[in-house]
Amino acid sequence: ETAVFQTPNYHVTQVGNEVSFNCKQTLGHDTMYWYKQDSKKLLKIMFSYNNKQLIVNETVPRRFSPQSSDKAHLNLRIKSVEPEDSAVYLCASSSSLGGRSAETLYFGSGTRLTVL
Amino acid sequence: GEQVEQLPSILRVQEGSSASINCTYENSASNYFPWYKQEPGENPKLIIDIRSNMERKQTQGLIVLLDKKAKRFSLHITDTQPGDSAMYFCAASASSGSWQLIFGSGTQLTVMP
Repeated sequence: ETAVFQTPNYHVTQVGNEVSFNCKQTLGHDTMYWYKQDSKKLLKIMFSYNNKQLIVNETVPRRFSPQSSDKAHLNLRIKSVEPEDSAVYLCASSSSLGGRSAETLYFGSGTRLTVL
Repeated sequence: GEQVEQLPSILRVQEGSSASINCTYENSASNYFPWYKQEPGENPKLIIDIRSNMERKQTQGLIVLLDKKAKRFSLHITDTQPGDSAMYFCAASASSGSWQLIFGSGTQLTVMP
């Protein structure tokens, strides 16, 4: 099966803790992303990673950092979680076609983070 | 940063009627406009897309229109069914040559039987 796989599905933690979410895609894509979907369902891009080039949304707090070992994996680490980090984190991938154009995003099933 | 405006945020229609969602974008260099459907508890899934070299595209009861002059694009769902009830997102490529997508704020569509 080819898709975008995320773990865990849910995570509950306390303020100040560190969390890590994993994402792996088996679609052969060269670009991966992390999106945050808040309680109002707004989808905000956090990071995109293509050929070792990281593009960061400047509104993302520094406690968030992506970690990639290869083009099929893009994990997300949050160093010290805050209550406002409670959201669904969606990993996605696409083929950039050499950066010439945007292509279809394939989303993972998401990780729902609850910060107490 | 670049924004995509999506309206309406909530849409209720009777089964069998059509539903329309409208989006506007800022960057005239944007060239890719996908639409995603997200059902409760699920991830967003692509349902239809259009590129800037087209003005209209249709597939399986879905029609997308693109007006590049007005920087506006729209989704029309004909003959709606209860299974069409979901959250719909439009998106636009951040700029020509960029693989990033900027999403609209979503439309919660409810099809009433």
